[in-house]
Amino acid sequence: DGGITQSPKYLFRKEGQNVTLSCEQNLNHDAMYWYRQDPGQGLRLIYYSQIVNDFQKGDIAEGYSVSREKKESFPLTVTSAQKNPTAFYLCASSPRQFVSGYTFGSGTRLTVV
Amino acid sequence: AQKITQTQPGMFVQEKEAVTLDCTYDTSDQSYGLFWYKQPSSGEMIFLIYQGSYDEQNATEGRYSLNFQKARKSANLVISASQLGDSAMYFCAMREGMFSGGYNKLIFGAGTRLAVHP
Repeated sequence: DGGITQSPKYLFRKEGQNVTLSCEQNLNHDAMYWYRQDPGQGLRLIYYSQIVNDFQKGDIAEGYSVSREKKESFPLTVTSAQKNPTAFYLCASSPRQFVSGYTFGSGTRLTVV
Repeated sequence: AQKITQTQPGMFVQEKEAVTLDCTYDTSDQSYGLFWYKQPSSGEMIFLIYQGSYDEQNATEGRYSLNFQKARKSANLVISASQLGDSAMYFCAMREGMFSGGYNKLIFGAGTRLAVHP
């Protein structure tokens, strides 16, 4: 079945470390997105990509970086510059034109220890 | 700027009763789409229902219906015959520029936590 796979499900980071969250889709979707969710809050857009080798900053891109070398993959790196990285991270994808919404991965919960 | 407002942080409903979750939006675009998602405690986001700004009929999907009042800029989700498994967070979201050919960025509200009691 087609879908989005995020890994790992849980991730622990030490202060000052960079960590990379994986997101892979086999839906042949053009666009991919990264959202951050803090407890009791909605989703905020970090980065998005419409096509391979192109991506744009969302509303809260500071301290994060992404790459889109393959259509299927959109990894997110949480750098040491991100001051408060503990959150739930959701990856999503969509076809270029859609009316049925995004397809989301199951999320990665990142905790700074 | 586009904005989604969900004014109910939490809602309670008895099993088998209907419940309405409120959502208002702000946009200057004429073409836009409205979405509702369900997020169980496991964290995944589940698409429930979609309403286009030019759709004349209110969208329905099984026990879910969207009460779309364009002039009032509201897109309330109605869940009929609530079930225990409906307990979750519910998010309203909007996308502008439906026919612009551009990328499809969704803006989310803060969410409403629904608890269904037996």
